[in-house]
Amino acid sequence: QSVLTQPPSVSAAPGEKVTISCSGSTSNVGNNHVSWYQQVPGTAPKLLIYDTNKRPSEIPDRFSGSKSGTSATLGITGLQTGDEADYYCGTWDSRLSAVLFGGGTKLTVL
Amino acid sequence: QVQLQESGPGLVKPSETLSLTCTFSGGSISSYYWSWIRQSPGKGLEWIGYIYYSGSSKYNPALKTRVIISVDTSKNRLSLKLSSVTAADTAVYYCARDRGRYYDSGSFPSFDYWGQGTPVTVSS
Repeated sequence: QSVLTQPPSVSAAPGEKVTISCSGSTSNVGNNHVSWYQQVPGTAPKLLIYDTNKRPSEIPDRFSGSKSGTSATLGITGLQTGDEADYYCGTWDSRLSAVLFGGGTKLTVL
Repeated sequence: QVQLQESGPGLVKPSETLSLTCTFSGGSISSYYWSWIRQSPGKGLEWIGYIYYSGSSKYNPALKTRVIISVDTSKNRLSLKLSSVTAADTAVYYCARDRGRYYDSGSFPSFDYWGQGTPVTVSS
């Protein structure tokens, strides 16, 4: 059971929008920036969002990040079949003094 | 082009020490934090610990009694040692560059470059 809670799975049709939540507490999400990673099975994770809402230059603006209180959200618009992957949130926990990852969310593009 | 490559034995016996190396190329090891992260079969990501290029380190409290991470800046190489391994340590082990910042008032990790990962099985 991860300290950061993500839905196990989400699904949507090509072209639609999907959001993935990452729920934590004041010791982690609430007071630290969040990053998001995409992992296609069998490959290493890829950074999508850092500092809660910033994108590396190579990441398309279809991917966005936001945060409200102790919950962060990854948004993906214009879904493509290539977006099918596992998505993880990550942040620092000030109480544990450790990097935490969410349990991961499997995105299915129907 | 920044590249990281993990290497080490794919099979370790229970109670022994797991030793992995990560070689970095395509940039400077300085001014970054460097982490080891693992992923057990079918499971999520678990942070093992980080080391700053200067040598300061921090470890996951759940593993800190068994972990040592070191850095050799002259060879652009990181090392991981995990002692007294059990089957629960079976995982794919990744090294990753952390472009984040760590302050007393808050910390903001983000891993922008990852190695391809190396699978390690703990079994007799």
